[in-house]
Amino acid sequence: IQMTQSPSSLSASVGDGVTITCRASQSISTYLNWYQQKPGKAPKLLIFAASSLQGGVPSRFSGSGSGTDFTLTINSLQPEDFATYYCQQSSSSYTFGQGTKLELK
Amino acid sequence: QVQLQESGPGLVKPSETLSLTCTVSGGSISTYYWNWVRQPPGKGLEWIAYIDYSGRTNYDPSLRSRVTISVDTSKNQFSLKLSSVSAADTAVYYCARLVGTTDYFDYWGQGTLVTVSS
Repeated sequence: IQMTQSPSSLSASVGDGVTITCRASQSISTYLNWYQQKPGKAPKLLIFAASSLQGGVPSRFSGSGSGTDFTLTINSLQPEDFATYYCQQSSSSYTFGQGTKLELK
Repeated sequence: QVQLQESGPGLVKPSETLSLTCTVSGGSISTYYWNWVRQPPGKGLEWIAYIDYSGRTNYDPSLRSRVTISVDTSKNQFSLKLSSVSAADTAVYYCARLVGTTDYFDYWGQGTLVTVSS
């Protein structure tokens, strides 16, 4: 199953809200997870099962979607949110999207 | 707090076998699924394989013929062997824990860079 994220990169300012989209090549129900990765660091789980917030993750992060189309929304961006975000499907084996780099405008 | 730590050579020659070990602390390896994920420099994430405490395995089809994953429950460790490596296998290799209900990776090691070069 191929995962396609859009956009590949995104510029925003502190306080803005942003949305990242992830599309699966076939239906994956809600077997969709989101990760944040900062340079030189391991990915960090943000959202699992499309919309469940991982413990300790701020509530400004939210996820939605089912089937083939999913979104990660970040409200009121904070300086520590500028990073690369990956979606990952677990319906059939495990594949990641190509990543969305969120940069400070 | 569960912690994972990768260890192994940082340089491997082409056509040789890459070997890495992940040590799990702060929790037992006898639950969950234990994975290897890699990331070529400047690129995205690629799942390689998983193993559980009983030795049940699952491999990415594109790497299956070259990958062996094993577990040592007495040491709370699991290992990866990737044979016949080439420059395309140069990557940061992460070990990670998979929660097997809705299948997400909740704990990761810090990663170790393995370079394939003569």
